[in-house]
Amino acid sequence: AQSVAQPEDQVNVAEGNPLTVKCTYSVSGNPYLFWYVQYPNRGLQFLLKYITGDNLVKGSYGFEAEFNKSQTSFHLKKPSALVSDSALYFCAVRDPPGAGSYQLTFGKGTKLSVIP
Amino acid sequence: DTEVTQTPKHLVMGMTNKKSLKCEQHMGHRAMYWYKQKAKKPPELMFVYSYEKLSINESVPSRFSPECPNSSLLNLHLHALQPEDSALYLCASSPRKRSYNEQFFGPGTRLTVL
Repeated sequence: AQSVAQPEDQVNVAEGNPLTVKCTYSVSGNPYLFWYVQYPNRGLQFLLKYITGDNLVKGSYGFEAEFNKSQTSFHLKKPSALVSDSALYFCAVRDPPGAGSYQLTFGKGTKLSVIP
Repeated sequence: DTEVTQTPKHLVMGMTNKKSLKCEQHMGHRAMYWYKQKAKKPPELMFVYSYEKLSINESVPSRFSPECPNSSLLNLHLHALQPEDSALYLCASSPRKRSYNEQFFGPGTRLTVL
């Protein structure tokens, strides 16, 4: 069964510093990977996805993620953190078509706090 | 129009009440989803509709009854809920069920069961 792991419950970073939110995955075949962000009392907002192609994916609000097949990782990064980036971040994986399940499986989430 | 709307934003109901949650999208998406999210936890899939037909029911209790009247509208009918059903209920849509496209989420309905 497909799964994603977010090893950190919380990440603290100073404003202006680079940030990384970690995600590793387990899936048969090639994965479809997503990052979503959730602000307090709001729905999830899509940030970026990896389907195929370049391992470095650029997304919304200056975020990017690097797909590493050998390490089965898809870490979210941003060169310079903003206080407004403080939120709950979810990594998610979806099996490619034909692999069996078409559900979106989420990690447990990582709370990012950017300190002024 | 690139958003998913949900009404109401907040709902408080007793265990004997009957209420409904509504979700709407006008992006032409043919797959729509209901998720349940407890505080500080990831969303849990409840139902998937594909072309207005129920495709997936993740063993959800019968006190939750989904309905998809047309391709733009998704309802979740609630009856005889339990306090542990209190949660944020999220609706989402995507172009197709099997697509690799991202799901678009609504803002959610915060449900409290007394």
